[in-house]
Amino acid sequence: QSAPTQPASVSGSPGQSITLSCTGTSSDVGRYNYVSWYQHHPGKAPKLIIYDVSNRPSGVSNRFSASKSGNTASLTISGLQVEDEADYYCASYAGSDTYVFGTGTRVSVL
Amino acid sequence: EVQLVESGGGVVQPGGSLTLSCAASGFTFDDYMMHWVRLPPGKGLEWVSLISWNGALTNYADSVKGRFTVSRDNSKNSLYLQMNSLTAVDTAFYYCARRRGGSNYLDSWGQGTLVTVSS
Repeated sequence: QSAPTQPASVSGSPGQSITLSCTGTSSDVGRYNYVSWYQHHPGKAPKLIIYDVSNRPSGVSNRFSASKSGNTASLTISGLQVEDEADYYCASYAGSDTYVFGTGTRVSVL
Repeated sequence: EVQLVESGGGVVQPGGSLTLSCAASGFTFDDYMMHWVRLPPGKGLEWVSLISWNGALTNYADSVKGRFTVSRDNSKNSLYLQMNSLTAVDTAFYYCARRRGGSNYLDSWGQGTLVTVSS
């Protein structure tokens, strides 16, 4: 299985909105509504911010929203803040008890 | 508070073996499936392995199948990853993470332990 493709980097200014894409295949992202997103500040534990395509865990800011269309999932960060600067990974169930992570996007806040 | 603490990382020679541990606390360990995920330097996260609550079901990424073995000891609230025939491409931070049965996302992760395969 190959990793869903994410842009290597996305940047924005404080207060802006940015959208990260995650393009998989009909065997993973396109097939299952089990896309999740993780925020990772280097040196820290990755953090779940979206599950099952568009659901936010308790305690996660509503500035994070997500959706899916076909083989592509998207994560939008609204009202960009300095603390949002991190690596973001999508992940998808890929069948037969396997999972696949996206290639990751580094978000920079200018 | 949910805590997952990995240990056992270090430097190992190519072809060598290493066993990682993950100590869980703050939740009912055997209510959860457990996963290992790794982060190679300069690369993205890679799913490595999973184990069901009772150890009856295990699965592995193709890249580690036949070399890595996941196990757990619910009496010790601990998860393990036995890694054999290590090569440079196995160099990475290794994270344990939990997944509630019936879900397909990892809702809590450890901070990772670094495995370096080098001569």
